[in-house]
Amino acid sequence: DAKTTQPPSMDCAEGRAANLPCNHSTISGNEYVYWYRQIHSQGPQYIIHGLKNNETNEMASLIITEDRKSSTLILPHATLRDTAVYYCIVGGGYQKVTFGTGTKLQVIP
Amino acid sequence: GAVVSQHPSRVICKSGTSVKIECRSLDFQATTMFWYRQFPKKSLMLMATSNEGSKATYEQGVEKDKFLINHASLTLSTLTVTSAHPEDSSFYICSAETPGQSSDEQFFGPGTRLTVL
Repeated sequence: DAKTTQPPSMDCAEGRAANLPCNHSTISGNEYVYWYRQIHSQGPQYIIHGLKNNETNEMASLIITEDRKSSTLILPHATLRDTAVYYCIVGGGYQKVTFGTGTKLQVIP
Repeated sequence: GAVVSQHPSRVICKSGTSVKIECRSLDFQATTMFWYRQFPKKSLMLMATSNEGSKATYEQGVEKDKFLINHASLTLSTLTVTSAHPEDSSFYICSAETPGQSSDEQFFGPGTRLTVL
C-alpha cells in the first residue's frame, strides 16, 4: 500500500503558483519524500526530494513540515506544460518505492 | 539528470508470442533496476526489482515464469513477456537508481506500450 495521501485532482491558473499537498503521517526517520510527475503516456519524471529541510531546484520547491508528516510541492509559476499527474512518494534508503494514485494537476489558460 | 532508455517504445504482437523489452541506463551504471506496469488511468505498479548478476525479486501476484527478467550488465535489464495474452496489454516502465547515495532517486524510462491482439 502507498504510504501517502494526495487529493485526486487540482486546478491551477496559468502563471500562478501550484501548491500540491501530500500527507505521509507514517513516514519513518530514514525515509525521504520524493515527488515525480507523469505527463500523459510518458515515463515518470523526477522533480525533487527531501529529508527534513525545505528544498528548491529549478523545477520546484518542497516544503516539509517539522514533524515530517506532510509536505507541499510548489510550482512557482505553473505553465500548461505542467499539466500532469504528480506523485508524492516516501522511501529511498535502498528501499523500493510504491506509487499511490497521485494528484492530477490541470493548469488552466 | 540521469537518462534511462527503453526499447521498443511500442509493440503489437499476437496472442501466444513472446516480447522482449530492453531498459538501458545511458550515462550511469545501475546495479538495481525496477520494472513497473501501468494500466489505463491507474498508477504504476511495481512488478519486480532487477539486480545485476542475481535473480530478480518479484512482487506478490507477479508470475516470475511469465515475466522473465535478466539484468546481465550494469547498464541493461530486459523484461520478456512470455506467451503474451490480451490481458498483458499495458504500459511497461523501467527505472534505475543512481548508485552510491542513500537518497537514491529513481530515473524512469519513457515506457513501452504493449498491445497483444
